[in-house]
Formats: sequence, C-alpha cells, structure tokens
Amino acid sequence: AQSVTQLGSHVSVSEGALVLLRCNYSSSVPPYLFWYVQYPNQGLQLLLKYTSAATLVKGINGFEAEFKKSETSFHLTKPSAHMSDAAEYFCAVSLGTGGGNKLTFGTGTQLKVEL
Amino acid sequence: DAGVTQSPTHLIKTRGQQVTLRCSPKSGHDTVSWYQQALGQGPQFIFQYYEEEERQRGNFPDRFSGHQFPNYSSELNVNALLLGDSALYLCASSLEEAGRQYTQYFGPGTRLTVL
Repeated sequence: AQSVTQLGSHVSVSEGALVLLRCNYSSSVPPYLFWYVQYPNQGLQLLLKYTSAATLVKGINGFEAEFKKSETSFHLTKPSAHMSDAAEYFCAVSLGTGGGNKLTFGTGTQLKVEL
Repeated sequence: DAGVTQSPTHLIKTRGQQVTLRCSPKSGHDTVSWYQQALGQGPQFIFQYYEEEERQRGNFPDRFSGHQFPNYSSELNVNALLLGDSALYLCASSLEEAGRQYTQYFGPGTRLTVL
C-alpha cells in the first residue's frame, strides 16, 4: 500500500520569497514520486517526477524537489515565488512496478503569493 | 500535438440518472486512467484501462464502469447517480512501456453536478 501526506493545507509566501511545500510518503517498495499543479477550474499539470535516478529533480517553472529516503520525504521548493505560482499543488506516489500503476495523491496544498 | 481532451466540460444531472463522460488520450498514448476529485480533496483513482481491458480498480462501487475503444479513447459511466458523485472527473493518459515507469498526463476534467 502507498500513501502521501502533505503538511499544511494552506501556505502563504511573499513574492520573491522561498517556496517550500512538504510531502511525506509511505510505500512498501521503492516509490515513484510526482508533483502536480492545479490552477482554478483546470486539470493537473506535471511539475516534476522522481523515478529512481537523481535524487534532486528539477522541474518546470523553476521548481525542484529532493528525494530523501531516510526521511521518506519529497519536498517541493522554489527559490523565489512569483504571483503566477499561486495554485494548488499535489504530491503523488505510485509503486513504479508497471502493469496498472495508479497514482495516490495527497490532499493538496494551496499556495498563496502576496505582494 | 493535442493533449488529453475530455467532454463535456460541465454536466448537471439529477439523482438516479446515468451519465457518460468521454476522454481522448494524448497522441501516442495507449493507457487511460480515471480519477474523481471532490471539492477540496486530492484526486482518487477510479480505474485504469489498457488494451480495452480494465487493468486496475480503486475503491469505487460497481455503479462506476468504463470502456476503452480500439483507438484508445475511453468512457466513464456512472449509474444511479448520488449527490456524493458531484465532483471533477479527471482523465489521464500514459504510454505503457515494459519495465519502465510511465507518466500520467491529465485532461482538463469534467465537472459533474448532481442535484
């Protein structure tokens, strides 16, 4: 079984400040991990993914995440927030074994960016 | 290159009715997954179709059924609608590659409201 916990349902930062969104996972096998972003009334857009290669993963729009097995974490960061980053962010895990690889999502973190 | 498309965009139904939602996968993709996203929640996996067969299913009742066509497009059917079925229904497509993790790309969703 797999699960994801996202700490903080709402995060507020100032424009230009560091963005840190937390994600902890539970998985019985080495996981594959994803971050998706959802803008209002839209579907999910892939930001980045970890698939057992480099532990520091770079994604689109300046976001990156680091896989830390010892901490079972995959936190999302961005050095400098922009107003356009305001959205809901979802962390997701899959077992990565192929053959019916469902995604299990966290409950999401709403990011607010203030001037 | 067209991404994942879904129709209709919005739908309003009455309790007890039946509904069909449609999804066309991203060009080159052969696998379709369906997710239900209730308001304020993360997406929940309903089922996945590959080679016109349901390959994996989440914790949803038999009222939820699906189909995949030879051109890889898919339908989600929900019978005997309940108020609790009101949600955003997301379709995701991916490419099955033996021994490799495949990334799911999401469509914009269909917003279903049950009155």
